[in-house]
Amino acid sequence: AQKITQTQPGMFVQEKEAVTLDCTYDTSDPSYGLFWYKQPSSGEMIFLIYQGSYDQQNATEGRYSLNFQKARKSANLVISASQLGDSAMYFCAMREVTNTDKLIFGTGTRLQVFP
Amino acid sequence: NAGVTQTPKFQVLKTGQSMTLQCAQDMNHEYMSWYRQDPGMGLRLIHYSVGAGITDQGEVPNGYNVSRSTTEDFPLRLLSAAPSQTSVYFCASTNTRGRGAKNIQYFGAGTRLSVL
Repeated sequence: AQKITQTQPGMFVQEKEAVTLDCTYDTSDPSYGLFWYKQPSSGEMIFLIYQGSYDQQNATEGRYSLNFQKARKSANLVISASQLGDSAMYFCAMREVTNTDKLIFGTGTRLQVFP
Repeated sequence: NAGVTQTPKFQVLKTGQSMTLQCAQDMNHEYMSWYRQDPGMGLRLIHYSVGAGITDQGEVPNGYNVSRSTTEDFPLRLLSAAPSQTSVYFCASTNTRGRGAKNIQYFGAGTRLSVL
């Protein structure tokens, strides 16, 4: 069955440093997509980055990159040069191609950036 | 761009009351869904719809009803509210015409519901 695991309830990082948020997943579908969303204290869910299971290269979007290790079933989010505005909850999510009607979320990681 | 609009933003109910959470999208998206978010549990899928007239259950459907009479609207009904339904509710939509795993879900701002 589809499953997403985020083992870090909370992370701290100093401003301008890089931070990695962990995500592992479980699926029997060879074709799937992985997503990261940011939820600031205001509550909205903001899409950050997407990685397809057949993509040859790791996805990047500005300061966000996804460290995709297919054999390990991990899809870690790397935020470079952290900013105070990056303080938020971060959720990893997955959709299987054979089950594209459902997006399954992890429990989230709360990131706090300090000066 | 309005995107996905949810109303109300906040609501307090008494146990046993009924209400409808509204969700509308102006992106002509086929797929819409409702999630609830509880502390430490991430987002869990309640119901979803792949198009007008078609709905299906997600992970946690009990106590909730949905209908999809138009592409734009996907209301979530609580028939008899219970304290266990205190949560933050999110509506989301995505365009599934190009069906595949990449379709990005766009979320509304959420409805914070308290049931006393």
